[in-house]
Amino acid sequence: NAGVTQTPKFRVLKTGQSMTLLCAQDMNHEYMYWYRQDPGMGLRLIHYSVGEGTTAKGEVPDGYNVSRLKKQNFLLGLESAAPSQTSVYFCASSYSRGGNEQFFGPGTRLTVL
Amino acid sequence: GQQLNQSPQSMFIQEGEDVSMNCTSSSIFNTWLWYKQDPGEGPVLLIALYKAGELTSNGRLTAQFGITRKDSFLNISASIPSDVGIYFCAGRMNYGGATNKLIFGTGTLLAVQP
Repeated sequence: NAGVTQTPKFRVLKTGQSMTLLCAQDMNHEYMYWYRQDPGMGLRLIHYSVGEGTTAKGEVPDGYNVSRLKKQNFLLGLESAAPSQTSVYFCASSYSRGGNEQFFGPGTRLTVL
Repeated sequence: GQQLNQSPQSMFIQEGEDVSMNCTSSSIFNTWLWYKQDPGEGPVLLIALYKAGELTSNGRLTAQFGITRKDSFLNISASIPSDVGIYFCAGRMNYGGATNKLIFGTGTLLAVQP
């Protein structure tokens, strides 16, 4: 099992450009999450999904959109990138019941100039 | 948004020393988790705690779920160079809830000098 994978690993954008970050998991997890990690801020939840075709806002959703068309994939979109969105983005997934363990991907480092 | 208070922010220790870090919240949690993040990687779960007062070990790591349910502690004994990384606490208010959302601490950076 590959676990949780993210593409790309690194990306540099200019202000106003758009991009999509892809997250894939092969553990048949129902729940998936997108976080951003900034220095001294820990991990903050952007959006999450409790199942295929469903999405919901997290703590810091502004400027991002998500889609979960397939159970194994969770896409994070930036329609018009801003320098404040420079961050490391992590995707995670978990089962819906039982333990709380969220499995994380390796992260995508995004720089917006 | 809510974040957990985690301390210390950073620690620089010698190999073989013991390490302690803690996490506090103004809210009650039903679950406490401790994650480790290696440089350039995503967080990996170390220990999960589900009951107030619970003390759980994973090798040289020991974590405790505070009696008040508002805090948790992580201890690492006899540190080694590979313990280097950022340690995060995370809490959840509703076990078995529909969303399974976690609230993360701000992290403790651990550096171990051989």
